[in-house]
Amino acid sequence: AQKVTQAQTEISVVEKEDVTLDCVYETRDTTYYLFWYKQPPSGELVFLIRRNSFDEQNEISGRYSWNFQKSTSSFNFTITASQVVDSAVYFCALRGSNRDDKIIFGKGTRLHILP
Amino acid sequence: KAGVTQTPRYLIKTRGQQVTLSCSPISGHRSVSWYQQTPGQGLQFLFEYFSETQRNKGNFPGRFSGRQFSNSRSEMNVSTLELGDSALYLCASSPQGQGIYEQYFGPGTRLTVT
Repeated sequence: AQKVTQAQTEISVVEKEDVTLDCVYETRDTTYYLFWYKQPPSGELVFLIRRNSFDEQNEISGRYSWNFQKSTSSFNFTITASQVVDSAVYFCALRGSNRDDKIIFGKGTRLHILP
Repeated sequence: KAGVTQTPRYLIKTRGQQVTLSCSPISGHRSVSWYQQTPGQGLQFLFEYFSETQRNKGNFPGRFSGRQFSNSRSEMNVSTLELGDSALYLCASSPQGQGIYEQYFGPGTRLTVT
């Protein structure tokens, strides 16, 4: 069975600090897809990144960066120099490559950026 | 481009009633997926439609159903509502299907069952 674990339920950091959100996944598939979504207080999930299992390159997008390590089944997300607008719930998700696979979301990490 | 729109935004229903929620995807997107979000269970996949065909279904009872129209707009229906159906229902569209591509979510419909 596939599973996504976001062990950090809630994190609070002071503005401008760096923060890393952890995501650990379980799957027996060799081909799979990982995602991060942000859900601000407005409720609308916002797509941040998609990574397939064959692409282990880390990615940086502005203040956001992602570290994908197949060896530890982790896909962690780091925000550098956090800002108050980064306050949201962040979800990690996994989807296998089979037609009948369902996308599985982690429980989410609620991030508070304190001014 | 206009984003994903969902109507209504808020809904209050009584146990035993049925409800229909509507979703209009981003123009040109042919895939629409539905999710249920609750504090206890988190985000759970309900079903996905692509070109008017249901491609995938989550582990929900038959009271939950949906359909997609030729213009890609989608509706989901919940019959015989139960208190546990109270949730935020999110719709997401994608240019391609199968859930392996990025999805664009609507603001959701908050359903309260009393």
